[in-house]
Amino acid sequence: DTEVTQTPKHLVMGMTNKKSLKCEQHMGHRAMYWYKQKAKKPPELMFVYSYEKLSINESVPSRFSPECPNSSLLNLHLHALQPEDSALYLCASSMPGLAGEYQETQYFGPGTRLLVL
Amino acid sequence: SQQGEEDPQALSIQEGENATMNCSYKTSINNLQWYRQNSGRGLVHLILIRSNEREKHSGRLRVTLDTSKKSSSLLITASRAADTASYFCAIGSYNNNDMRFGAGTRLTVKP
Repeated sequence: DTEVTQTPKHLVMGMTNKKSLKCEQHMGHRAMYWYKQKAKKPPELMFVYSYEKLSINESVPSRFSPECPNSSLLNLHLHALQPEDSALYLCASSMPGLAGEYQETQYFGPGTRLLVL
Repeated sequence: SQQGEEDPQALSIQEGENATMNCSYKTSINNLQWYRQNSGRGLVHLILIRSNEREKHSGRLRVTLDTSKKSSSLLITASRAADTASYFCAIGSYNNNDMRFGAGTRLTVKP
């Protein structure tokens, strides 16, 4: 099973709402990632979890709150978002490498398209 | 912040032609990867090439790496309409633990 699943596929939320994005993989990968991608731009790394611990936080605003309940699941909790946070949110997973810990092949989910009104 | 610069930004070719995309970078690298993204969907890994490798093949794909010029190229031979997508290089920098994407090349293959 080389699949990363993400739910929901689409999400529309107001600036006062609280919502969560979910990501799941069953490949035994121990590193999981959240990326944000704006239209016609490359993915930008937000967070990395390694062995269920937050390893990298790319200075993401606190209105985004990641959580890794277990080695297969990754959540992104959203609260008080701004319209400029509208984007495609991608989850990925990989096995940490020996050199360049998070530089091995990453497997991506299909993404959640988020619209903040 | 992105670490790779790709050119061209957009490429339009006829089915059956070859497509070449280039990625340049500034740092020393551990590896470099190429990914494909169909419109609005997740990324699919194509090839990973390590810093001590010069060329790798996968089906109709050929990737080269020239560490002296700090550049890589992706060649798609005998292109098909289904190859229409955005292609991103991803840099595994020697100085960082993570992987950063270039700006991407949007490839259109006309039937």
